[in-house]
Amino acid sequence: ETGVTQTPRHLVMGMTNKKSLKCEQHLGHNAMYWYKQSAKKPLELMFVYNFKEQTENNSVPSRFSPECPNSSHLFLHLHTLQPEDSALYLCASSRDRGQETQYFGPGTRLLVL
Amino acid sequence: EDQVTQSPEALRLQEGESSSLNCSYTVSGLRGLFWYRQDPGKGPEFLFTLYSAGEEKEKERLKATLTKKESFLHITAPKPEDSATYLCAVQAIAGNQFYFGTGTSLTVIP
Repeated sequence: ETGVTQTPRHLVMGMTNKKSLKCEQHLGHNAMYWYKQSAKKPLELMFVYNFKEQTENNSVPSRFSPECPNSSHLFLHLHTLQPEDSALYLCASSRDRGQETQYFGPGTRLLVL
Repeated sequence: EDQVTQSPEALRLQEGESSSLNCSYTVSGLRGLFWYRQDPGKGPEFLFTLYSAGEEKEKERLKATLTKKESFLHITAPKPEDSATYLCAVQAIAGNQFYFGTGTSLTVIP
């Protein structure tokens, strides 16, 4: 499989559930990103990892917890989410943090009830 | 304050009717400007990167241009399959910060 893949593609969860989003890149990149996309708003950068190390956390609530076990895989662990967290969550990768042509996955559409 | 503004918010074109989308930006130092295409329910698909004023890039019916204050995405003789949301993003030199616009939703009517 090529490019950036994300699973699941759709997720419905209650506010008390715990779930995880998975991202995998097959591009040999060293930087990976999580974004949140809500209607009528610009993409919001959530987390950045470069060579498996977290380099940015843009004031994201602690109910979102990222994990990057290696340069190819990125997870976003979710717990006690709120309805306003419903959005499209996008994963992206780039060659490194300074080389910023980012390639995106298809996203996970999350609905919090 | 660094920011990106795209206009118009939405655009409806007849098939074959050429037009341009605008991306205005303010950033203290530009490292790069990026155009993406996004179809409903999918992730953004990379189109172009522009690095300096005067630079132009083309792909099929699309042509992107860059000045010191804005970028245009020109669409020549569009087809219905060009319907999508087009996103612009800029990367600032300071801190490698990345800023996205809200996009232009393009609909091409047969």
